[in-house]
Amino acid sequence: EVQLVESGGGLVQPGGSLRLSCAASGFTFSNYEMSWVRQAPGKGLEWISYINSGGITKYYADSVKGRFTISRDNAKNSLYLQMNSLRADDTAVYYCARGAWSSLWEYWGQGTLLTVSS
Amino acid sequence: DVVMTQSPLSLPVTLGQPASISCRSSQSLVHSDGNTFLNWFQQRPGQSPRRLIYMVSNRDSGVPDRFSGSGSGTDFTLKISRVEAEDVGVYYCIQGTHWPPYSFGQGTKLEIK
Repeated sequence: EVQLVESGGGLVQPGGSLRLSCAASGFTFSNYEMSWVRQAPGKGLEWISYINSGGITKYYADSVKGRFTISRDNAKNSLYLQMNSLRADDTAVYYCARGAWSSLWEYWGQGTLLTVSS
Repeated sequence: DVVMTQSPLSLPVTLGQPASISCRSSQSLVHSDGNTFLNWFQQRPGQSPRRLIYMVSNRDSGVPDRFSGSGSGTDFTLKISRVEAEDVGVYYCIQGTHWPPYSFGQGTKLEIK
């Protein structure tokens, strides 16, 4: 069974940093592209970052470019999102999701909540 | 960037009745390889999103056949033939042809009348 389990969310002050993790199981993680998608409270979905299967190609939404860094460790079946210079409008549930193209976001994690507040 | 426009944004439906959601893109979603990467996702209250339809009209495994997707180019539709209580939630169209960035419709909130 495919599973994606996010962790690392919490309460952070504006300007602070945090790293989210997504642990994958039930499939060959190194074969799949991955994304982070977030959802602010009561709002719609927003794609924020993508990484290819080998970890070389990375894309970011303009809203997080220069502040967030996506990475992966295929040996540990894990995806990461390093978030720096956090702002109040980064408050959201962060989901990791598997796939692209015809398999775009076929599987999602349960999400982890980040709250940026003083 | 591609802009996705959904309508309606709110959809009250009587149980057992059909429902339809429209999604329009600001440019054609036909990829150079001939495929159209238009997807529909459902998000039930308190849950993660779930993909229902990929590449316009292909139902994901486990998705009831009352859900169907259609359309081409810039104009797409998600139809539910007979709404059930478990269909309550927000539905999003998402394009995966011209990315980054991926672009989403605003979401359509389906509720039972």
